[in-house]
Amino acid sequence: DSGVTQTPKHLITATGQRVTLRCSPRSGDLSVYWYQQSLDQGLQFLIHYYNGEERAKGNILERFSAQQFPDLHSELNLSSLELGDSALYFCASSVPPNPWDDTQYFGPGTRLTVL
Amino acid sequence: AQTVTQSQPEMSVQEAETVTLSCTYDTSESDYYLFWYKQPPSRQMILVIRQEAYKQQNATENRFSVNFQKAAKSFSLKISDSQLGDAAMYFCAYRSLLEIYNQGGKLIFGQGTELSVKP
Repeated sequence: DSGVTQTPKHLITATGQRVTLRCSPRSGDLSVYWYQQSLDQGLQFLIHYYNGEERAKGNILERFSAQQFPDLHSELNLSSLELGDSALYFCASSVPPNPWDDTQYFGPGTRLTVL
Repeated sequence: AQTVTQSQPEMSVQEAETVTLSCTYDTSESDYYLFWYKQPPSRQMILVIRQEAYKQQNATENRFSVNFQKAAKSFSLKISDSQLGDAAMYFCAYRSLLEIYNQGGKLIFGQGTELSVKP
């Protein structure tokens, strides 16, 4: 158990809908990273938040957005869902980016199926 | 931009034998970290081993060791005495030290190698 929690575990929805994925980082971790794992794109970085502020964006679609709240949990919002958005979404957390302790701890993921 | 390539989509090893998974990467940076993550059927991402680019000594964690060739930009994972529980997808990943200093540091993953272990 990494200490990172993600809810829900599974999500099945229809095209055009909107969903919210939630991530709670390990206690004390200020950084949250979101990754998408799909069959055709592999594991890709989406977005990084540090202590409530967006730090970096990767291959994140405009239909997707995220935020990190004062209690440090993060939410990834996916809207106008398409079949191709079906994937496993991971969040990972780490202590304040520190060259000497930089391990990213992954949550169990949320499997999103868009029908 | 940095890239990570795993050229072996699938590998197979006999239980108790040794197997080596390959990974190459491309970067113009001199300081970075390299990782191997394991993803078993449960889909949980588990850190296996990490290597700091400034260290010449290859990292070792029990039965897992790496062969880090910085000039060749190669980072292979050797699993000794393979066990049934080693069967999983293995991902090689890169992380920029410069990004970490700038309070970032995303992981860049390779495509993965599916390892099966035969009893």
